[in-house]
Amino acid sequence: EVQLLESGGGLVQPGGPLRLSCAASGFTFSSQAMTWVRQAPGKGLEWVSTISNGGGGTYYAGSVKGRFTISRDNSKNTLYLQMNSLRAEDTAVYYCAVSAYWGQGTLVTVSS
Amino acid sequence: DIVMTQTPLSSPVTLGQPASISCRSSQSLVHSDGNTYLSWLQQRPGQPPRLLIYKVSNRLTGVPDRFSGSGAGTDFTLKISRVAAEDVGIYYCTQGTKFPWTFGQGTKVEIK
Repeated sequence: EVQLLESGGGLVQPGGPLRLSCAASGFTFSSQAMTWVRQAPGKGLEWVSTISNGGGGTYYAGSVKGRFTISRDNSKNTLYLQMNSLRAEDTAVYYCAVSAYWGQGTLVTVSS
Repeated sequence: DIVMTQTPLSSPVTLGQPASISCRSSQSLVHSDGNTYLSWLQQRPGQPPRLLIYKVSNRLTGVPDRFSGSGAGTDFTLKISRVAAEDVGIYYCTQGTKFPWTFGQGTKVEIK
């Protein structure tokens, strides 16, 4: 059974950093591209970033490019999202996703 | 960026009656590999999104056959042949043909 467990969310001040993690199991992690999608409170879905299976290819939404970095550790079956220079508009539930599967999400709140 | 436009944004339906959601993209979703990466997601209240249909018309294992997807190029449709109580939620179309991946605004399906 595919499982994706996000962690690392919380309250952070504007301008601060936060790192999200997504622990994956139930599939061959190193064979799959991985994606982060976010959803602001009461709003729709927004793609954030995707990383290729080997980590050599990374793609970002314009709204986070230069501030967020996606990475993965295939030896630990874990996906990361390093978020820097956070803004109020980054407040959202962040989901990790692979192929057809989504995690439960982790809430990031950017507020002073 | 490819803009995904869904109509209607709200769909009150009588139990057992059909429902239909349209999704139009601002440019063709046919990838250079010949596939069309148009998917439909369901998000029940308080839940993460769930993939229903991928590559226009392929139903994920376990998705009831009352859900069907169709379309080509820039025009796509999700149909629910007979709406059940558990179908209440927000439905999103999304394209994975070209980065940045984009989502429609969402269509809220509710019971009259």
